[in-house]
Amino acid sequence: EVQLVESGGGFVQPGGSLRLSCAASGFTFWTSAMTWVRQAPGKGLEWVSSISASGGVKNYADSVKGRFTVSRENSRNSVFLQMNSLRADDTGVYYCAKEAGDFWGQGTLVIVSS
Amino acid sequence: DVVLTQSPLSLPVTLGQPASISCRSSESLVDSDGNTYLNWFQQRPGQSPRRLIYTVSNRDSGVPDRFSGSGSGTDFTLKISRVEAEDVGVYYCMQNTHWPLTFGGGTKVEIK
Repeated sequence: EVQLVESGGGFVQPGGSLRLSCAASGFTFWTSAMTWVRQAPGKGLEWVSSISASGGVKNYADSVKGRFTVSRENSRNSVFLQMNSLRADDTGVYYCAKEAGDFWGQGTLVIVSS
Repeated sequence: DVVLTQSPLSLPVTLGQPASISCRSSESLVDSDGNTYLNWFQQRPGQSPRRLIYTVSNRDSGVPDRFSGSGSGTDFTLKISRVEAEDVGVYYCMQNTHWPLTFGGGTKVEIK
């Protein structure tokens, strides 16, 4: 059974940093691209970033480019999202998804507020 | 960026009746490999999204056959043949033909 478990969310002040983690199991992680998607409170889904299976190709939404960094450790079946210079409009639930969304985690809540 | 426009925004449906959601793209979603990477997701209240349909018309494992996807190029449709109570939620289309990946704004399905 595919499982994706996000962690690392929390409350942070504007300008602060958080590192999200996503632990994967139940599939061949090192052959799968991974994606981060977020959802602001009461709003729709927004793609944030994707990383290729090898980690060699990374893509970012313009809204997070230069502030967020996606990475992965295939030996640990994990993908990460380092979020710096956080802003209030980064608030929301962050989901980790396999490939372009065939499986999703339960999400982790990030609140950016002073 | 590719803009996906869903309609309607809200869809009240009687149990057992059909429902249809449209997703229109600002440009063709046909990839250079010939595939069209248009997907449909369901998000029930309080839950994570779940993919229902990939590459326009392929149902994911475990998805009831009352869900079907169709379309081509820039025009796509998700149909529910007979709405059940468990189908309540928000439905999103998403394209992964072009970077950045983009989602439609969502269609809220509710029971009349």
